[in-house]
Amino acid sequence: AQKITQTQPGMFVQEKEAVTLDCTYDTSDQSYGLFWYKQPSSGEMIFLIYQGSYDEQNATEGRYSLNFQKARKSANLVISASQLGDSAMYFCAMREGQGMNTDKLIFGTGTRLQVFP
Amino acid sequence: EAQVTQNPRYLITVTGKKLTVTCSQNMNHEYMSWYRQDPGLGLRQIYYSMNVEVTDKGDVPEGYKVSRKEKRNFPLILESPSPNQTSLYFCASRISKVHEQYFGPGTRLTVT
Repeated sequence: AQKITQTQPGMFVQEKEAVTLDCTYDTSDQSYGLFWYKQPSSGEMIFLIYQGSYDEQNATEGRYSLNFQKARKSANLVISASQLGDSAMYFCAMREGQGMNTDKLIFGTGTRLQVFP
Repeated sequence: EAQVTQNPRYLITVTGKKLTVTCSQNMNHEYMSWYRQDPGLGLRQIYYSMNVEVTDKGDVPEGYKVSRKEKRNFPLILESPSPNQTSLYFCASRISKVHEQYFGPGTRLTVT
């Protein structure tokens, strides 16, 4: 069965520093996709980044990058140059397949990131 | 403006009183989903739909019903709500060829 594990309930980082949020996953599928979402205190869910299991390069979106280590089944989110506005809950998620035959998505329990000045 | 809307945003109800939470998107997205968010548990998918009249169970479908009669709408129905369905509910949609899901603003449901 699919599973997403986020072992860090909370993280602190100083402004302008980089931070890594951990995510490990478990699946028996060869084809899957990994996501990171941000949920600020206002409650909305914001898509950050996507990595397909067949993608050879790590995904990057601005200050966000996904450190994809397939053999270790990890998909850590790296935020460079943290900003106060990065303070939020971050969720890792996985979907099996390439997203055409299923839309079943599972989420981790989240990591609360707090950025301090 | 491209968006996913949910109504109501807040609802307090009593055990056993049927309710419907509506979800509508104006982006012509094929795929739509419902999630519930509970403290310490993250988001859990209730149902998803990959097109009109096509729905499938997520991880926690018990106690919920959905229907997809039109592409833009995906209502969530609680036939007989119970206190353990007190939660924050999110609807989301996406186009089939794009991985990103667009989330609605959430509906906070309290069942007493």
